[in-house]
Amino acid sequence: GAVVSQHPSRVICKSGTSVKIECRSLDFQATTMFWYRQFPKQSLMLMATSNEGSKATYEQGVEKDKFLINHASLTLSTLTVTSAHPEDSSFYICSALPAVFNEQFFGPGTRLTVL
Amino acid sequence: TQLLEQSPQFLSIQEGENLTVYCNSSSVFSSLQWYRQEPGEGPVLLVTVVTGGEVKKLKRLTFQFGDARKDSSLHITAAQPGDTGLYLCAGASPSGYALNFGKGTSLLVTP
Repeated sequence: GAVVSQHPSRVICKSGTSVKIECRSLDFQATTMFWYRQFPKQSLMLMATSNEGSKATYEQGVEKDKFLINHASLTLSTLTVTSAHPEDSSFYICSALPAVFNEQFFGPGTRLTVL
Repeated sequence: TQLLEQSPQFLSIQEGENLTVYCNSSSVFSSLQWYRQEPGEGPVLLVTVVTGGEVKKLKRLTFQFGDARKDSSLHITAAQPGDTGLYLCAGASPSGYALNFGKGTSLLVTP
Protein backbone atom coordinates (compact mmCIF):
# COMPACT_ATOMS: atom_id res chain seq x y z
CA GLY A 1 0.00 0.00 0.00
CA ALA A 2 0.86 3.72 0.11
CA VAL A 3 1.88 4.04 -3.54
CA VAL A 4 2.40 7.38 -5.21
CA SER A 5 2.66 7.67 -8.96
CA GLN A 6 3.85 10.45 -11.21
CA HIS A 7 3.11 11.06 -14.84
CA PRO A 8 4.94 11.45 -17.08
CA SER A 9 8.13 9.81 -15.89
CA ARG A 10 10.12 11.91 -18.29
CA VAL A 11 9.32 14.74 -20.67
CA ILE A 12 11.26 16.77 -23.19
CA CYS A 13 9.83 20.07 -24.31
CA LYS A 14 10.82 23.17 -26.20
CA SER A 15 11.67 26.40 -24.45
CA GLY A 16 8.59 28.56 -23.94
CA THR A 17 6.07 25.74 -23.71
CA SER A 18 4.21 24.59 -20.61
CA VAL A 19 4.43 21.15 -19.05
CA LYS A 20 2.01 19.52 -16.61
CA ILE A 21 3.18 16.86 -14.16
CA GLU A 22 0.64 14.75 -12.25
CA CYS A 23 1.08 13.25 -8.81
CA ARG A 24 -1.41 10.63 -7.66
CA SER A 25 -1.83 8.73 -4.43
CA LEU A 26 -3.10 5.38 -5.66
CA ASP A 27 -4.43 3.73 -2.52
CA PHE A 28 -4.88 6.45 0.04
CA GLN A 29 -6.20 9.96 0.36
CA ALA A 30 -3.75 12.78 0.83
CA THR A 31 -4.87 16.14 2.08
CA THR A 32 -1.33 17.40 1.66
CA MET A 33 1.15 16.82 -1.12
CA PHE A 34 4.60 18.28 -1.53
CA TRP A 35 6.59 19.15 -4.63
CA TYR A 36 10.38 18.93 -4.61
CA ARG A 37 13.01 19.68 -7.22
CA GLN A 38 16.33 17.92 -7.49
CA PHE A 39 19.18 19.08 -9.70
CA PRO A 40 21.92 16.62 -10.73
CA LYS A 41 24.19 15.55 -7.89
CA GLN A 42 22.13 17.62 -5.45
CA SER A 43 19.54 16.98 -2.79
CA LEU A 44 15.79 17.53 -2.85
CA MET A 45 14.64 21.10 -2.41
CA LEU A 46 11.07 21.76 -1.32
CA MET A 47 9.23 23.93 -3.83
CA ALA A 48 5.73 24.08 -2.44
CA THR A 49 3.15 22.49 -0.21
CA SER A 50 -0.11 21.60 -1.89
CA ASN A 51 -3.29 21.38 0.18
CA GLU A 52 -6.50 19.95 -1.21
CA GLY A 53 -9.04 22.66 -1.84
CA SER A 54 -6.80 25.59 -1.04
CA LYS A 55 -3.93 27.55 -2.52
CA ALA A 56 -0.47 26.08 -2.45
CA THR A 57 2.19 27.47 -0.16
CA TYR A 58 5.42 28.23 -2.00
CA GLU A 59 8.92 28.27 -0.56
CA GLN A 60 10.96 31.42 -0.74
CA GLY A 61 12.44 31.94 -4.19
CA VAL A 62 9.92 29.75 -6.02
CA GLU A 63 7.76 31.72 -8.46
CA LYS A 64 4.13 30.81 -7.95
CA ASP A 65 3.15 32.17 -11.36
CA LYS A 66 5.70 29.97 -13.06
CA PHE A 67 5.06 26.79 -11.10
CA LEU A 68 1.30 26.41 -10.94
CA ILE A 69 0.01 23.87 -8.46
CA ASN A 70 -3.52 22.50 -8.38
CA HIS A 71 -4.64 20.02 -5.73
CA ALA A 72 -8.09 19.34 -7.13
CA SER A 73 -8.85 16.13 -5.23
CA LEU A 74 -7.60 14.06 -2.31
CA THR A 75 -5.64 11.84 -4.68
CA LEU A 76 -4.30 14.22 -7.31
CA SER A 77 -2.00 17.21 -7.39
CA THR A 78 -0.60 18.74 -10.56
CA LEU A 79 2.43 20.92 -11.14
CA THR A 80 2.49 22.99 -14.31
CA VAL A 81 5.77 24.53 -15.36
CA THR A 82 4.76 27.52 -17.47
CA SER A 83 6.94 29.02 -20.18
CA ALA A 84 9.65 26.52 -19.44
CA HIS A 85 13.29 27.44 -19.92
CA PRO A 86 16.41 25.25 -20.01
CA GLU A 87 17.23 26.21 -16.41
CA ASP A 88 13.94 24.56 -15.37
CA SER A 89 15.34 21.21 -16.46
CA SER A 90 15.40 19.10 -13.35
CA PHE A 91 14.02 16.05 -11.57
CA TYR A 92 10.65 16.89 -10.03
CA ILE A 93 9.47 14.67 -7.18
CA CYS A 94 6.18 14.77 -5.35
CA SER A 95 5.24 13.23 -2.02
CA ALA A 96 1.89 12.63 -0.42
CA LEU A 97 0.95 12.73 3.24
CA PRO A 98 -1.93 10.44 4.20
CA ALA A 99 -4.57 12.02 6.34
CA VAL A 100 -4.14 9.47 9.13
CA PHE A 101 -0.47 8.61 8.96
CA ASN A 102 2.52 10.75 9.79
CA GLU A 103 4.80 9.67 6.94
CA GLN A 104 5.30 11.05 3.47
CA PHE A 105 5.34 8.69 0.53
CA PHE A 106 7.36 9.74 -2.48
CA GLY A 107 6.60 9.38 -6.14
CA PRO A 108 9.18 8.04 -8.60
CA GLY A 109 9.92 11.47 -10.00
CA THR A 110 9.60 13.19 -13.37
CA ARG A 111 12.64 14.09 -15.42
CA LEU A 112 12.01 17.36 -17.25
CA THR A 113 14.36 18.44 -20.03
CA VAL A 114 13.78 21.80 -21.67
CA LEU A 115 15.55 22.30 -24.97
CA THR B 1 15.17 26.91 7.07
CA GLN B 2 16.76 24.39 9.39
CA LEU B 3 19.99 23.27 7.74
CA LEU B 4 21.13 19.67 7.77
CA GLU B 5 24.78 19.02 6.97
CA GLN B 6 25.76 15.59 5.77
CA SER B 7 29.24 14.13 5.59
CA PRO B 8 30.95 12.78 3.73
CA GLN B 9 29.46 14.01 0.48
CA PHE B 10 30.94 11.14 -1.51
CA LEU B 11 32.16 7.74 -0.38
CA SER B 12 33.64 4.96 -2.48
CA ILE B 13 34.47 1.72 -0.70
CA GLN B 14 34.96 -1.92 -1.42
CA GLU B 15 32.51 -4.66 -0.62
CA GLY B 16 32.81 -5.85 2.96
CA GLU B 17 33.99 -2.56 4.43
CA ASN B 18 32.15 -0.64 7.12
CA LEU B 19 31.13 3.01 6.85
CA THR B 20 29.41 5.77 8.77
CA VAL B 21 27.47 8.72 7.39
CA TYR B 22 26.77 11.75 9.55
CA CYS B 23 23.92 14.22 9.61
CA ASN B 24 24.36 17.34 11.74
CA SER B 25 22.35 20.46 12.48
CA SER B 26 22.40 23.37 14.87
CA SER B 27 18.64 22.97 15.25
CA VAL B 28 16.67 20.52 17.32
CA PHE B 29 14.40 18.18 15.41
CA SER B 30 11.40 16.33 16.74
CA SER B 31 12.43 13.49 14.46
CA LEU B 32 14.88 12.72 11.70
CA GLN B 33 14.42 10.43 8.79
CA TRP B 34 16.90 8.58 6.61
CA TYR B 35 16.16 7.86 2.97
CA ARG B 36 17.95 6.00 0.21
CA GLN B 37 17.55 7.14 -3.35
CA GLU B 38 18.66 5.39 -6.52
CA PRO B 39 19.28 7.32 -9.76
CA GLY B 40 16.09 8.31 -11.52
CA GLU B 41 13.85 7.26 -8.65
CA GLY B 42 12.20 8.86 -5.66
CA PRO B 43 13.66 8.47 -2.16
CA VAL B 44 12.62 5.49 -0.08
CA LEU B 45 12.29 5.79 3.67
CA LEU B 46 14.70 3.64 5.66
CA VAL B 47 13.97 4.72 9.21
CA THR B 48 12.58 7.46 11.43
CA VAL B 49 14.30 8.26 14.71
CA VAL B 50 12.33 10.15 17.31
CA THR B 51 13.84 9.82 20.77
CA GLY B 52 17.17 11.38 21.72
CA GLY B 53 19.82 8.67 22.04
CA GLU B 54 17.68 6.21 20.12
CA VAL B 55 19.37 3.43 18.16
CA LYS B 56 17.56 1.52 15.46
CA LYS B 57 18.86 -1.40 13.45
CA LEU B 58 17.74 -2.46 10.01
CA LYS B 59 19.72 -5.58 9.09
CA ARG B 60 23.26 -4.28 8.45
CA LEU B 61 22.23 -0.64 8.92
CA THR B 62 22.38 1.01 12.34
CA PHE B 63 20.85 4.43 12.88
CA GLN B 64 21.48 6.63 15.89
CA PHE B 65 19.80 9.85 16.99
CA GLY B 66 21.90 12.20 19.09
CA ASP B 67 20.95 12.84 22.69
CA ALA B 68 20.18 16.48 21.89
CA ARG B 69 18.23 15.51 18.75
CA LYS B 70 20.44 17.68 16.58
CA ASP B 71 22.41 14.98 14.83
CA SER B 72 22.16 11.45 13.56
CA SER B 73 24.39 8.82 12.06
CA LEU B 74 23.98 5.85 9.77
CA HIS B 75 26.44 2.98 10.05
CA ILE B 76 26.58 0.23 7.47
CA THR B 77 28.37 -2.99 8.33
CA ALA B 78 29.94 -5.14 5.62
CA ALA B 79 28.73 -2.99 2.76
CA GLN B 80 27.48 -4.67 -0.38
CA PRO B 81 27.17 -3.37 -3.95
CA GLY B 82 23.41 -3.27 -3.46
CA ASP B 83 23.94 -0.56 -0.84
CA THR B 84 25.08 1.83 -3.55
CA GLY B 85 22.92 4.92 -3.69
CA LEU B 86 22.31 8.40 -2.34
CA TYR B 87 21.62 8.48 1.38
CA LEU B 88 19.62 11.46 2.58
CA CYS B 89 18.73 12.61 6.04
CA ALA B 90 15.67 14.81 6.49
CA GLY B 91 13.91 16.63 9.27
CA ALA B 92 10.44 18.10 9.47
CA SER B 93 10.29 21.84 9.03
CA PRO B 94 8.93 23.92 11.90
CA SER B 95 5.91 24.87 9.80
CA GLY B 96 4.57 21.38 9.40
CA TYR B 97 5.27 18.09 7.72
CA ALA B 98 7.38 19.40 4.83
CA LEU B 99 10.86 17.94 4.94
CA ASN B 100 14.21 19.69 4.88
CA PHE B 101 16.76 17.40 3.30
CA GLY B 102 20.48 17.26 3.83
CA LYS B 103 22.68 17.41 0.74
CA GLY B 104 23.10 13.67 0.75
CA THR B 105 25.94 11.18 0.78
CA SER B 106 26.60 9.39 -2.47
CA LEU B 107 27.82 5.89 -1.68
CA LEU B 108 29.49 3.57 -4.18
CA VAL B 109 30.30 0.03 -3.14
CA THR B 110 32.46 -1.87 -5.59
CA PRO B 111 32.74 -5.67 -5.68
